[in-house]
Amino acid sequence: QVQLQESGPGLVKPSETLSLTCAVSGYSISSGYYWGWIRQPPGKGLEWIGTIYHSGSTDYNPSLKSRITISVDTSKNQVSLKVNSGTAADTAVYYCAREIRGYSHYFDYWGQGTLVTVSS
Amino acid sequence: QSVLTQPPSVSAAPGQKVTISCSGSSSNIENNYVSWYQQLPGTAPKLLIYENNRRPSGIPDRFSGSKSGTSATLGITGLQTGDEADYYCGTWDSSLSAYVFGTGTKVTVL
Repeated sequence: QVQLQESGPGLVKPSETLSLTCAVSGYSISSGYYWGWIRQPPGKGLEWIGTIYHSGSTDYNPSLKSRITISVDTSKNQVSLKVNSGTAADTAVYYCAREIRGYSHYFDYWGQGTLVTVSS
Repeated sequence: QSVLTQPPSVSAAPGQKVTISCSGSSSNIENNYVSWYQQLPGTAPKLLIYENNRRPSGIPDRFSGSKSGTSATLGITGLQTGDEADYYCGTWDSSLSAYVFGTGTKVTVL
């Protein structure tokens, strides 16, 4: 059974970098699949942030691309997300998920999510 | 502002049926597969339907999906109190080059 667990600071100051890690268990990232990040501001809907393949190739939401970096560490079996120049608008629950890509796109396994608040 | 529009809320009595619409365009729903996610209060989203109408293992056949043109629909029959949740549609948008989610629909069991 694939399991994902997000972790990172719950509070980030404005203009600083938000850094999160997603630890994957039950599946080796180096074996394949895509791994995505999705966020949800309090009381609002879901927003796709970006996706990385086990090889390291990335695909970012154009609306966030200038501030986003997603990386993969196959030795630790984890994926990381960095959001630069944080603002209050980045306050959200951040989820990592396994993404199925090909002729179809969907997220089949999700982490429990971690709340990040951007505030001074 | 999401490119996929859903009704904010739907409701029905236990045992009844509800349908949730997801309206998009030719750059997303019409030419790409649609998936649906269920988000119970305080929990992470869960895949309910993928590739328009396929159910992952463990999802009861009370949940069904369909697609026609630029719209997709999620149906829930035999409504249960445990179905109270937010439901989101999702698909790839070829114009935006982004995965997009619907605005979300809250299902209430009366």
